[in-house]
This record gives sequence, structure tokens and C-alpha cells, in this order.
Amino acid sequence: NAGVTQTPKFQVLKTGQSMTLQCAQDMNHEYMSWYRQDPGMGLRLIHYSVGAGITDQGEVPNGYNVSRSTTEDFPLRLLSAAPSQTSVYFCASRLGDSPLHFGNGTRLTVT
Amino acid sequence: AQSVTQLDSHVSVSEGTPVLLRCNYSSSYSPSLFWYVQHPNKGLQLLLKYTSAATLVKGINGFEAEFKKSETSFHLTKPSAHMSDAAEYFCVVSDRGGSNYKLTFGKGTLLTVNP
Repeated sequence: NAGVTQTPKFQVLKTGQSMTLQCAQDMNHEYMSWYRQDPGMGLRLIHYSVGAGITDQGEVPNGYNVSRSTTEDFPLRLLSAAPSQTSVYFCASRLGDSPLHFGNGTRLTVT
Repeated sequence: AQSVTQLDSHVSVSEGTPVLLRCNYSSSYSPSLFWYVQHPNKGLQLLLKYTSAATLVKGINGFEAEFKKSETSFHLTKPSAHMSDAAEYFCVVSDRGGSNYKLTFGKGTLLTVNP
């Protein structure tokens, strides 16, 4: 009964480095999404996917790439990290109009 | 287009007193509405949801919310606050008639409970 699993929990990067945040769900949810959470800003949608092979941009997609090769996995890639990408990142999934199920988050610091 | 406004960024109450967290929304279609809670350094947990059934929705931990279409509001209440209720609360709207896949989050209300 894992739900939504995010790795790593913490990460520190230097400006210009790349990395991938992993997200996996075992609930057969067709919809998966990535949010970033910043103080006073709530959660903002980065990218989302409505099924394998289908992705779309959210509110703040610049600097991030995603892919959805399987129903279970939805990795988020930072191609060239910037200090403005310092944030807490949440992956979430849902089935139809059901509520979102969230992972426990990845705290990223870019120096 | 849809939007959510949480009217208070910070609410402070005494333990045992009522809690009111206010949320107004706009939606082009018949919306689904949710309240989530986030305790410090944790993920988001669903408190309750409205999806066009009863307008008064009961959630976990004694919270409830009332959907008022005429006022476009979905305020969260609890009769008596507990210390463990201290957390950040997010109101979320989802358009069900249009693109069903985008949810919009409010900016959050931080609830402080004083002993």
C-alpha cells in the first residue's frame, strides 16, 4: 500500500547541474502531476500527464521536463538547475475526479 | 478559468474555540472542491471533498465545510480547535465540466492554535 513514492527526500545542487526527481504510484492512476511549493505561493502546477505517452504544461513549466513512458512513473527533470528552483516539490496522482494523492515531497536547494 | 481565494493567510485561535477558514472560488463549470491539510514538513492530506452531493460536507478530525453556490464559497469550520489542528490548510477547486485535469490551489491559510 505504497501510494505515491518520491525520491530523493532532500537534494542539494549547484547552479547548472542537472538531476531527476523520481515519482512512482501503484494505484493505477491515469493522472499524475508535479507541483512546487514556495512560501506564500501555495502549490503551483509544473507539468501533468493524463496517461502514458501524454504530458502537458502547467502554470510554471520553464526549466523542467517530464516524460510518461509507463502508467506508474512520472519523473521530473531539471536540465540546468537555477537558484530560483529552490523549492519543495510534490508529485500527486488521481483517478478521474477523485482527490489527489500526494507524495511526501522532495526538498531541493540550488546554490 | 477557475480560481481560488483564501481570504486569510493566517488565523490564530485558542484551544477549544471555533475555527473558520474562508475560501471563495470561481469556476466556469460545476466545480469539485477540496480542503487539504499540511502539517510541518509533511505532505498534503485530504480533509474533505465536495462533488455535487450534499452541500454540507463532513471530513476527518471533526472538520466540515459548506458549499454555497450563491456566495461562491466553501468555508472550512470546526467547533472546537485542538492543538494538533495547527497546520497549513489549502482550498482547491477542480472544474468538472471543462478540462477535468487541472486543479487550482489557494495560497494557503496557516492555522495557529494557542493553549
